[in-house]
Amino acid sequence: SQTIHQWPATLVQPVGSPLSLECTVEGTSNPNLYWYRQAAGRGLQLLFYSVGIGQISSEVPQNLSASRPQDRQFILSSKKLLLSDSGFYLCAWNPRDSSYEQYFGPGTRLTVT
Amino acid sequence: DAKTTQPTSMDCAEGRAANLPCNHSTISGNEYVYWYRQIHSQGPQYIIHGLKNNETNEMASLIITEDRKSSTLILPHATLRDTAVYYCIVRPSRLNFGNEKLTFGTGTRLTIIP
Repeated sequence: SQTIHQWPATLVQPVGSPLSLECTVEGTSNPNLYWYRQAAGRGLQLLFYSVGIGQISSEVPQNLSASRPQDRQFILSSKKLLLSDSGFYLCAWNPRDSSYEQYFGPGTRLTVT
Repeated sequence: DAKTTQPTSMDCAEGRAANLPCNHSTISGNEYVYWYRQIHSQGPQYIIHGLKNNETNEMASLIITEDRKSSTLILPHATLRDTAVYYCIVRPSRLNFGNEKLTFGTGTRLTIIP
């Protein structure tokens, strides 16, 4: 069966510090991968998606970047965090040949202080 | 993606049916209605989807009006574990290059009352 992992589960970082969040998927190959952010009391906002290794599409301009160094690994990064980067970050995937379900990871709660 | 409108919050007594409405008056012919839910501090979970026929699975039923401008998600026997934010999403069945990005609104916060 397929599983999706995210780490860390929670993170507190000072303003100006770097960020690296990791997401990995097991039990599948060639998945589409997504990074979402949910600010407190808000809906989910799509940040990045990837349809293959090294292929990243950005949905909104921001202080963040994403990379996909391996087929089932998706990384969200920042060189210098802002207070506005605080939120709940979710990684998701769906099979390349399926258009119906999207599977979400457990999320990382980031607090920038 | 077509815009959806949902009530901000709803309460439902435990054991009763929870009926969550969604308006999607600008839905186009090739767009499906999807429902996800998000339990506090967890990732969203897929519930059900449909095009124009009513659908039922082990979690819920989806009733879509004949003109497809609105739908209702029904949880037949709500339990305390069904307390969550429920998102109604409308989008085409497939997008370019298999990118199935979802656009989430703020959803309906459903609280099941003991």
